Amino acid sequence: GNSVTQMEGPVTLSEEAFLTINCTYTATGYPSLFWYVQYPGEGLQLLLKATKADDKGSNKGFEATYRKETTSFHLEKGSVQVSDSAVYFCALSAYNDYKLSFGAGTTVTVRA
Amino acid sequence: EADIYQTPRYLVIGTGKKITLECSQTMGHDKMYWYQQDPGMELHLIHYSYGVNSTEKGDLSSESTVSRIRTEHFPLTLESARPSHTSQYLCASRGQGNTEAFFGQGTRLTVV
Repeated sequence: GNSVTQMEGPVTLSEEAFLTINCTYTATGYPSLFWYVQYPGEGLQLLLKATKADDKGSNKGFEATYRKETTSFHLEKGSVQVSDSAVYFCALSAYNDYKLSFGAGTTVTVRA
Repeated sequence: EADIYQTPRYLVIGTGKKITLECSQTMGHDKMYWYQQDPGMELHLIHYSYGVNSTEKGDLSSESTVSRIRTEHFPLTLESARPSHTSQYLCASRGQGNTEAFFGQGTRLTVV
């Protein structure tokens, strides 16, 4: 079946540090891939997405590239801010499944 | 901006009470979902629907029930709340194809 594995947290960084959260997937066919962010006490918000191989999704300084050869969709940001402290979820959507498959989430804390 | 709404945002209720968590979306999406999430932790799919009059149980067994008699509305009901039901409940919807899901802000339920 379809599944997503993402880097375990928690991750603690200093402001302006580089952030990477690894995400790999297993799916049949050609899934769409997503990163969601969840701030404390809130629902999930879509951060970025990619719908085909080699697509790069980007938003708010975050980037992720859809790598079919390594079945990966790693999230990166070059210089994090305190306001980036949140839980990040990698997810995929496949045509053969009504459900989205989510990773377990990675908690990121950025310290000033 | 996602047009999906959950009410109430917070609910504290006594053991044995019947409760209904409301979820509505104005995007005309066929697919809707309920997730249960403990703080900072992964999402567990408890119910989903792929259209009016369709409901399915998710990956995590739940004592709650759902109904879908209108496209825009997907309420979740607990007939007799227990402290073990204390959690955050997130509603989501999704359109056709491999599209992203849109989430409501969640309902934080506490059963005392």
